[in-house]
Amino acid sequence: KQEVTQIPAALSVPEGENLVLNCSFTDSAIYNLQWFRQDPGKGLTSLLLIQSSQREQTSGRLNASLDKSSGRSTLYIAASQPGDSATYLCAVIDRGSTLGRLYFGRGTQLTVWP
Amino acid sequence: EPEVTQTPSHQVTQMGQEVILRCVPISNHLYFYWYRQILGQKVEFLVSFYNNEISEKSEIFDDQFSVERPDGSNFTLKIRSTKLEDSAMYFCASSESSGVYETQYFGPGTRLLVL
Repeated sequence: KQEVTQIPAALSVPEGENLVLNCSFTDSAIYNLQWFRQDPGKGLTSLLLIQSSQREQTSGRLNASLDKSSGRSTLYIAASQPGDSATYLCAVIDRGSTLGRLYFGRGTQLTVWP
Repeated sequence: EPEVTQTPSHQVTQMGQEVILRCVPISNHLYFYWYRQILGQKVEFLVSFYNNEISEKSEIFDDQFSVERPDGSNFTLKIRSTKLEDSAMYFCASSESSGVYETQYFGPGTRLLVL
């Protein structure tokens, strides 16, 4: 069964810092990996989707990389801002899925203070 | 920008009662999903649905659960006889094509509390 792990569980940084969130998964046979943002009491917002054939995706200050063979992904946030404070979730869809069953990690709770 | 909506936002029910959670997916989306998140736990997949059929379900989705697309806009999750352990945030999601290739768009969730 696919297991997704995220490190660290929580991170607190001053505004302006560059930071890296880590994700690992146990079964490298995946269709894609996605990073989501979850704000308290709200739904999940998709940030980046990396197909299994890709190595990275970028959106604004966010860059996600994927090393499928080692079962790892990182989310790089440049020049962090207080508005980036949220929980960041990593999720994969593995090759055993028919329509897209997402396996989630527990998330990294990020706090960016002014 | 189109959004997935869910009603109610909060529901409190007694153990053993039936509940129906409602979702309105994005209008041109054809693939639908339910997930849940018990407080402090991971988001967990329940079921995926396409062309009026369940495509995939998890071990959580037992005979107490059912899904339905009663009309062209709603997608519902029914829990027939709720248990204390069903207390969780339930998220609906939809995608235009298969979630294997495309991101799923999530609703804001329904927080269910079973007493």
